[in-house]
Amino acid sequence: SYELTQPPSVSVSPGQTARITCSGDALPKKFAYWYQQKSGQAPVLVIYEDTKRPSGIPERFSGSSSGTMATLIISGAQVEDEADYYCYSTDSGGHHRVFGGGTKVTVL
Amino acid sequence: EVQLVESGGNLVQPGGSLRLSCEASEFTFSSYAMSWVRQAPGKGLEWVADINGIGDSTSYADSVKGRFTISRDNSKNTLFLQMNSLRAEDTATYYCARLDIGAGDFFFDQWGQGSLVSVSS
Repeated sequence: SYELTQPPSVSVSPGQTARITCSGDALPKKFAYWYQQKSGQAPVLVIYEDTKRPSGIPERFSGSSSGTMATLIISGAQVEDEADYYCYSTDSGGHHRVFGGGTKVTVL
Repeated sequence: EVQLVESGGNLVQPGGSLRLSCEASEFTFSSYAMSWVRQAPGKGLEWVADINGIGDSTSYADSVKGRFTISRDNSKNTLFLQMNSLRAEDTATYYCARLDIGAGDFFFDQWGQGSLVSVSS
C-alpha cells in the first residue's frame, strides 16, 4: 500500500523557520496537501496543490515540492502554530487517499 | 460559512453496529463528494470512505470494506456512515469532510468537529 513519510517531530524557536517534509513515490505526479490540527480540534487545510494557500491562512505558511518530496514551510513561526501537521495525497492511480503519519511542531 | 455537524457516536460492544450522521449547511450539498476520515486516540488521520455527489459511487479503505457503508440523503443535506461488525480497532473520532477538486485531485477542504466512537466490552 502507498505511504507518505513525515518526521515525527520538528522544533523551532519563535520567529524562526520550520520545515516539515513529506516523501512519497507518487509525489512527482500527484499534488501534496497539508493540514494543521491543533489539540482537540478538527484538521484545517493550510496548503493545497503543493503551493497554494487557502483564504484566511497566514502568509507565513507556504509549500514546495520537488521530486518525491513535498515541504511545508512556516516562516517566522509563532507560538500559535504549535500543532500536528499532516500531508495528504493519493497514489499514482488516484484510488487510495493517504495521509502521512503526522509531524508534531513545537515552537519554544 | 460551511458547517458540517456529526452525530451518532457512542460506546458500542465489539460486533455491534452504529450509524453516524453528518448534517451539512451553507453550501450546495449535492454538488460535492463527501468523505469520512477517522483518527484513533493519539494516532494519525485515516481515510475511511467516499461518496460522490449523487450517491451512486462509493469507495472504501481496505480496513472497513464489507463492514461499513457510506450513503447520503441530498434532500436532507445529510451524510451517513453505517458501521457493522465493529472491532476495538475502529475506536476513533470520525470526521465528516467535504471533498473539493482542484487541478485534477480531490482533497478535503472542510471538516466537521468529529464524533467519538468507542468499541469496548
